[in-house]
Amino acid sequence: NSKVIQTPRYLVKGQGQKAKMRCIPEKGHPVVFWYQQNKNNEFKFLINFQNQEVLQQIDMTEKRFSAECPSNSPCSLEIQSSEAGDSALYLCASSLSGGNYEQYFGPGTRLTVL
Amino acid sequence: GEKVEQHESTLSVREGDSAVINCTYTDTASSYFPWYKQEAGKSLHFVIDIRSNVDRKQSQRLIVLLDKKAKRFSLHITATQPEDSAIYFCAASMTSGSWQLIFGSGTQLTVMP
Repeated sequence: NSKVIQTPRYLVKGQGQKAKMRCIPEKGHPVVFWYQQNKNNEFKFLINFQNQEVLQQIDMTEKRFSAECPSNSPCSLEIQSSEAGDSALYLCASSLSGGNYEQYFGPGTRLTVL
Repeated sequence: GEKVEQHESTLSVREGDSAVINCTYTDTASSYFPWYKQEAGKSLHFVIDIRSNVDRKQSQRLIVLLDKKAKRFSLHITATQPEDSAIYFCAASMTSGSWQLIFGSGTQLTVMP
């Protein structure tokens, strides 16, 4: 069973508000991923980290999203100005390494933007 | 970029029968193929994976087959049980690059008692 912790489980924001969610990866997992799962079960990769360094992020993430994985603190994903289209399940996953290693997912943060 | 197509959007089987879910991918550089199970209102649960250096892997009632020539992989669930009912997602990733998973669209499996 995955030991990735995500908080909060539910988040409700108005349009234009900031939305912040946190993730604690499994102990010993240096690689962290953030994905967005929409109501149509489509997944979008947002950003990933190895230790504290960003490995890759998509354009959307660069513009309105910010993320970090400081040492000895939870990782976080923040949407600076929420839009209705951001309503989705945000999933954090952690892995021992990249490529051929399992990614274990947390329970997710369900964001609703009114 | 890589695309993963999951062929069955829904699948219904009788308890005890086998269920097969098929996926195809486009990028020959993909080398890692995990499967996840998602029950209603819950997150993704890792069930099994296969790497490109083998063509078959079994874990209890789960079998994964990989055909690199056809760029196709499949999940076989044998002796299905009602608790196998869920959405199953296939995914693919590469050993280089961002390591992100590219997911299929999901298969809603229903196991009828």
